[in-house]
Amino acid sequence: AQSVSQHNHHVILSEAASLELGCNYSYGGTVNLFWYVQYPGQHLQLLLKYFSGDPLVKGIKGFEAEFIKSKFSFNLRKPSVQWSDTAEYFCAVMTRGGADGLTFGKGTHLIIQP
Amino acid sequence: KAGVTQTPRYLIKTRGQQVTLSCSPISGHRSVSWYQQTPGQGLQFLFEYFSETQRNKGNFPGRFSGRQFSNSRSEMNVSTLELGDSALYLCASSLQGTNEKLFFGSGTQLSVL
Repeated sequence: AQSVSQHNHHVILSEAASLELGCNYSYGGTVNLFWYVQYPGQHLQLLLKYFSGDPLVKGIKGFEAEFIKSKFSFNLRKPSVQWSDTAEYFCAVMTRGGADGLTFGKGTHLIIQP
Repeated sequence: KAGVTQTPRYLIKTRGQQVTLSCSPISGHRSVSWYQQTPGQGLQFLFEYFSETQRNKGNFPGRFSGRQFSNSRSEMNVSTLELGDSALYLCASSLQGTNEKLFFGSGTQLSVL
């Protein structure tokens, strides 16, 4: 079964700082990759996803992620964070066959200080 | 369009009891998947149902089961509850499967005493 590792459990940044959240997965085959976000008091929602093609994918609210196959990574980035980006971020992986369902990382709690 | 609705919002049970959680997906969505969220293990996939059939199953004991009805509503059942089953149980729906954008509900917070 695949596993997903998010390196930082808690990240604190100031507004306008650049953000990069790490995500690595263990599966050696073809995967579909996702980042989900949960803002305070809200439901989990999809930020962006990668299935194939351009390894640099853009999502909502100025977020992007880069798939690096050789590193089994799918890191999330944003050039300049805002206070409203304070949230829990989850990386998730699904193998193409999908038999194991969607595997989530344990999440990164991001706090943006004004 | 109404979102994913989970009931009840909170549940308190004692060890050995059983519990049933309900999930109503967004209208038109045929896939419903269930997840257990705990501080220690994070979000873990339980199972996915599509058109009343279980399509995928996570690594959970047989005490965890589910079903889906013809209107796509889904129920999850946990029998012989253990303290470790205390968690937030999330349901998500999508048009065709978990490879698509999932729409999550607010969850059911289960406490086992």
